Amino acid sequence: EPEVTQTPSHQVTQMGQEVILRCVPISNHLYFYWYRQILGQKVEFLVSFYNNEISEKSEIFDDQFSVERPDGSNFTLKIRSTKLEDSAMYFCASDTSWTFSGNTIYFGEGSWLTVV
Amino acid sequence: AQKITQTQPGMFVQEKEAVTLDCTYDTSDQSYGLFWYKQPSSGEMIFLIYQGSYDEQNATEGRYSLNFQKARKSANLVISASQLGDSAMYFCAMRGTQGGSEKLVFGKGTKLTVNP
Repeated sequence: EPEVTQTPSHQVTQMGQEVILRCVPISNHLYFYWYRQILGQKVEFLVSFYNNEISEKSEIFDDQFSVERPDGSNFTLKIRSTKLEDSAMYFCASDTSWTFSGNTIYFGEGSWLTVV
Repeated sequence: AQKITQTQPGMFVQEKEAVTLDCTYDTSDQSYGLFWYKQPSSGEMIFLIYQGSYDEQNATEGRYSLNFQKARKSANLVISASQLGDSAMYFCAMRGTQGGSEKLVFGKGTKLTVNP
């Protein structure tokens, strides 16, 4: 079964440092997403990416965050100047064109980010 | 805006019994999809079952079935013959095309504990 891979699985960083979370989506997928889950809370949408540009972003996704697909395979989330409240699990997901006929979205196993 | 409501923060069930996890949703989309995910303590999001808004029959996947009542906007998950390994957080989610977005919107989750 195809899978989305994320690295690192866990990262601890000092407050104020920059962090890059990496994702390798499924190769023929066109839509890419980042979601965030603060410990004990629900999963929240951050950003969607299609055709090499952001297609939608949430209120959470402010100037501190950026995404890119630098080489056609990796999909990265950069968090600048991390804050304690950025500590969370970050999920990458990829998707084909959705036709409402079934599930087409695949999640990675997540990257735990701990800001100290 | 799309919204998912899960009113049961926690549920307990005896091993081998069936359990129903509640989910109601709100959307103005005509076409949408409903999803259930399992999140064990290890953190990954495991897709369980999908129901499309136009599907006339309730979705089933092994021990999982989705009780879809469109008029009531509910999509409850039924787990039959519970196993100890079913202990986890369960999230209901939906996606539609409101405003061109295909992001998933999640509920707050239900923590299921299966007792031996």
